[in-house]
Amino acid sequence: DAGVTQSPTHLIKTRGQQVTLRCSPKSGHDTVSWYQQALGQGPQFIFQYYEEEERQRGNFPDRFSGHQFPNYSSELNVNALLLGDSALYLCASSFSRPYQETQYFGPGTRLLVL
Amino acid sequence: QKEVEQNSGPLSVPEGAIASLNCTYSDRVSQSFFWYRQYSGKSPELIMSIYSNGDKEDGRFTAQLNKASQYVSLLIRDSQPSDSATYLCAVNHSGGGADGLTFGKGTHLIIQP
Repeated sequence: DAGVTQSPTHLIKTRGQQVTLRCSPKSGHDTVSWYQQALGQGPQFIFQYYEEEERQRGNFPDRFSGHQFPNYSSELNVNALLLGDSALYLCASSFSRPYQETQYFGPGTRLLVL
Repeated sequence: QKEVEQNSGPLSVPEGAIASLNCTYSDRVSQSFFWYRQYSGKSPELIMSIYSNGDKEDGRFTAQLNKASQYVSLLIRDSQPSDSATYLCAVNHSGGGADGLTFGKGTHLIIQP
């Protein structure tokens, strides 16, 4: 049973560029959440996708956008990159049912913005 | 604003002893609670979830929840050097799957051989 997968593992971009990160959920999971984790901090919730729609969003600007595909995989897009966007980006998948919403994390994508 | 507070540590515990990690949360209506372990450079790994007041045991790990005090803890018995990691407390406020997790900053645990 494959767990959550993410690609790429590492990425280097320059300020102003755009980036797309990808996530495939754990088998059977229908919900994907994205988090940003800066060094020394806990993960910060960006947004959650369910049934191909953004269901909830954290306190992140519109430069951060996403998409969920019919096979439940998801993408995170970040436009106009800033130095402060350098972080570990984590994808987590879960079921969307009460008391079964435990989120399982992928290995993450480490983004460095120069 | 929904907040989760943890002592950042480092918390140093001798091998074989009990490590006690604590977490408080601000949103009284929070429904479900999670402990994750994160090794340096890796992603968070689920240790345990807890939904009801009281204790929940899984091997060497025991999670404790007290909703009245808005307090969650994790006990690690017979601590091993491999338990050295950052432990993240996370809270889901809705309980219906329709909510992102709010994380604390994590407690850095060091098990001394």
